[in-house]
Amino acid sequence: AAGVIQSPRHLIKEKRETATLKCYPIPRHDTVYWYQQGPGQDPQFLISFYEKMQSDKGSIPDRFSAQQFSDYHSELNMSSLELGDSALYFCASSPLTAWRAEETQYFGPGTRLLVL
Amino acid sequence: DAKTTQPTSMDCAEGRAANLPCNHSTISGNEYVYWYRQIHSQGPQYIIHGLKNNETNEMASLIITEDRKSSTLILPHATLRDTAVYYCIVLLSGSARQLTFGSGTQLTVLP
Repeated sequence: AAGVIQSPRHLIKEKRETATLKCYPIPRHDTVYWYQQGPGQDPQFLISFYEKMQSDKGSIPDRFSAQQFSDYHSELNMSSLELGDSALYFCASSPLTAWRAEETQYFGPGTRLLVL
Repeated sequence: DAKTTQPTSMDCAEGRAANLPCNHSTISGNEYVYWYRQIHSQGPQYIIHGLKNNETNEMASLIITEDRKSSTLILPHATLRDTAVYYCIVLLSGSARQLTFGSGTQLTVLP
């Protein structure tokens, strides 16, 4: 079965540089979520999109922005990178359902970002 | 969303059942109990979820108490590959609800 695709899988950047992470949801999934997981920490929600509109916002720094495109893929743009941005970034998607009472999120393999 | 309490760590012998408890005493009537796990540095993986009734799938069983204040995830025959952090998450489902990961339980399956 198709899974969530994230690219790149690994990324090394210098401080103050920018980075763009991409997420391709499972086909027919209309909702995308982004999570950040620092070293030794649990995943933390950043932001989500439903039908290309931002639907929920968590602890996402102002230096980060994201969007969902017409083909439902999403990009997380990170500017003025700091050492503390080094983390695993996961994207998840959830499916269209006739009624939204149950929404299982399916996670991608993550992008490991290292800021030097 | 209701908060959850899980033991920090548990061990289980390979081939035996692993029973992972979760306390969610403040759960409300329309909140679901979800279980995810994360094998080291991989993306979290959905296991199972339920509202009131016990649920079973190919991975695990979920037992929810009648008062819904606690639940137990059961891996019937644990293998070494089940070593992971297991997260119990209570979720008021709606439009694009975020998952709030608590500390979870580190399950170590021993040979």
